[in-house]
Amino acid sequence: DTTVKQNPRYKLARVGKPVNLICSQTMNHDTMYWYQKKPNQAPKLLLFYYDKILNREADTFEKFQSSRPNNSFCSLYIGSAGLEYSAMYLCASSRTGRTQYFGPGTRLLVL
Amino acid sequence: GDSVTQTEGQVALSEEDFLTIHCNYSASGYPALFWYVQYPGEGPQFLFRASRDKEKGSSRGFEATYDKGTTSFHLRKASVQESDSAVYYCALGPYQGGRALIFGTGTTVSVSP
Repeated sequence: DTTVKQNPRYKLARVGKPVNLICSQTMNHDTMYWYQKKPNQAPKLLLFYYDKILNREADTFEKFQSSRPNNSFCSLYIGSAGLEYSAMYLCASSRTGRTQYFGPGTRLLVL
Repeated sequence: GDSVTQTEGQVALSEEDFLTIHCNYSASGYPALFWYVQYPGEGPQFLFRASRDKEKGSSRGFEATYDKGTTSFHLRKASVQESDSAVYYCALGPYQGGRALIFGTGTTVSVSP
């Protein structure tokens, strides 16, 4: 089973409010990723956890937070949503250096 | 930095047509190359990968050959079906020193019966 689950599937948020997205996998993968996908753009890596170590991309360092309380779960947290955060957020997981498997995504709309 | 270019943004075909999606990459190292497919309402699904020059990846009738000389990994299918309508992404990585996939912008394939 290569299932990655994401909750919620759709999220409506107000400008300035926090947003928390959840991802889970049961494949015992050591690495979990968050990508952002906007229309007509390639999915863009925001951050990833290798085991308990968080790695954030330099250009999104201050915009997104994440936690991984155990091997199976990973969250993506936006402290204060802005209009520019409206996008599809994709979670993926993998064993180190191996194929990444994606969840169905969470579509976030900020108004 | 490393990048992936997919030439076609949208492709419209009829069933049994031949499909080609061009993918070229630029990388400082020797990355693995991937094709992912995304159906409506779902996340990208792994199609196949190739890790070395001249290696061919294939799945579900799709295939692509890693060509280091032309820095390409073009996706081909001999006879498409309506169920192949989806967005196709070419990607590179992960490789030593990094773990991210770098995606192309995707190609939307529409197949009519």
